[in-house]
Amino acid sequence: DADVTQTPRNRITKTGKRIMLECSQTKGHDRMYWYRQDPGLGLRLIYYSFDVKDINKGEISDGYSVSRQAQAKFSLSLESAIPNQTALYFCATSDPHGSGSSYEQYFGPGTRLTVT
Amino acid sequence: GQQVMQIPQYQHVQEGEDFTTYCNSSTTLSNIQWYKQRPGGHPVFLIQLVKSGEVKKQKRLTFQFGEAKKNSSLHITATQTTDVGTYFCAGPHNNAGNMLTFGGGTRLMVKP
Repeated sequence: DADVTQTPRNRITKTGKRIMLECSQTKGHDRMYWYRQDPGLGLRLIYYSFDVKDINKGEISDGYSVSRQAQAKFSLSLESAIPNQTALYFCATSDPHGSGSSYEQYFGPGTRLTVT
Repeated sequence: GQQVMQIPQYQHVQEGEDFTTYCNSSTTLSNIQWYKQRPGGHPVFLIQLVKSGEVKKQKRLTFQFGEAKKNSSLHITATQTTDVGTYFCAGPHNNAGNMLTFGGGTRLMVKP
């Protein structure tokens, strides 16, 4: 079984619709992240969470919101989707129990979102 | 703000040729990570470099961290078709360790 799962894997929606992308993990990690990937731009961080009560904005949070329902679940919402939110979205986790350096991140399979 | 740049953006090589991707940060990094994303897949962690001037090898892959800790490179010797994918470097955002800033990636294509 995959350690980090995302649903749906593909979604086509219309401008103005609300949409939620979900992420679940069985790795037992406290830290979870949402990224979007656009060609040539790498991965850009949308939001991140270090535990159930912690939510932090990343570099491109406008137009997005998140909810950390439990340690294992982190969902991303687009309240009113627009075409330039068409992208590949990845959820990731990391383990905070380390030496204090950056911790490697484990990515889910991604959700391809198209907004028409 | 902090920027992490990678060059080239794309590279076509003949199978058996060598390949190098370069990563440059606008700020000094406490460490740098490298990830590989196969076509249609998700990024997978390859390695982390921490020390100035550090060199690490994984089979045909050689990773270097610059003396000033502002640049890094990944070199693949004698590429194979299994090396196809996009390679990303990533550094801790503002060296806080809480989040990563990714480079734009280098997409490697290998002709058999």
